[in-house]
Amino acid sequence: NAGVTQTPKFRVLKTGQSMTLLCAQDMNHEYMYWYRQDPGMGLRLIHYSVGEGTTAKGEVPDGYNVSRLKKQNFLLGLESAAPSQTSVYFCASRETWTGGTYGYTFGSGTRLTVV
Amino acid sequence: GENVEQHPSTLSVQEGDSAVIKCTYSDSASNYFPWYKQELGKGPQLIIDIRSNVGEKKDQRIAVTLNKTAKHFSLHITETQPEDSAVYFCAASITETGTALIFGKGTTLSVSS
Repeated sequence: NAGVTQTPKFRVLKTGQSMTLLCAQDMNHEYMYWYRQDPGMGLRLIHYSVGEGTTAKGEVPDGYNVSRLKKQNFLLGLESAAPSQTSVYFCASRETWTGGTYGYTFGSGTRLTVV
Repeated sequence: GENVEQHPSTLSVQEGDSAVIKCTYSDSASNYFPWYKQELGKGPQLIIDIRSNVGEKKDQRIAVTLNKTAKHFSLHITETQPEDSAVYFCAASITETGTALIFGKGTTLSVSS
């Protein structure tokens, strides 16, 4: 049971290039999230999904797109990377709240550098 | 929307001392307040959480307190150990509406032996 798996773990992009970050969870969770972590800024929500086929914008969605075609996968795309998107990206998932824990399970992160 | 502020940004303590990290939230509708610990190179991990119908919750050396009136909650770590050194994040959300967690900016805790 891997939990939440993010690929790749590291990537260097040139300005203007595109890429897709993949998040996969094997816990049958309905909800999935993408956050970015920058020094001194904490974790900021980029996009999230409340179920297969759904996506919604978070706090900092500009420059990113997402898709949730399969329940277990949540993809984050950068169409034209910019240096401001240099960050560590975390994916998280959680089960539907039924009165118990509302806690997230996080992946180990993708460190992206845009030069 | 919700805004969560966290203090201090850095905290250094001696092994065996207590550590306290404080957070305030803005949305009075928020009712779920978790704390996450992030070790170097890893993703955040839930260590304790509290719901708005509870004032305090303990789990061994860690405890969380909540003051709904003042809209603030705190993490207390007693008898700190070097392995407690990490970045700690507080967060808030509304469980019934399924809103995403909004995080504070984090506190880097250093425990020296």
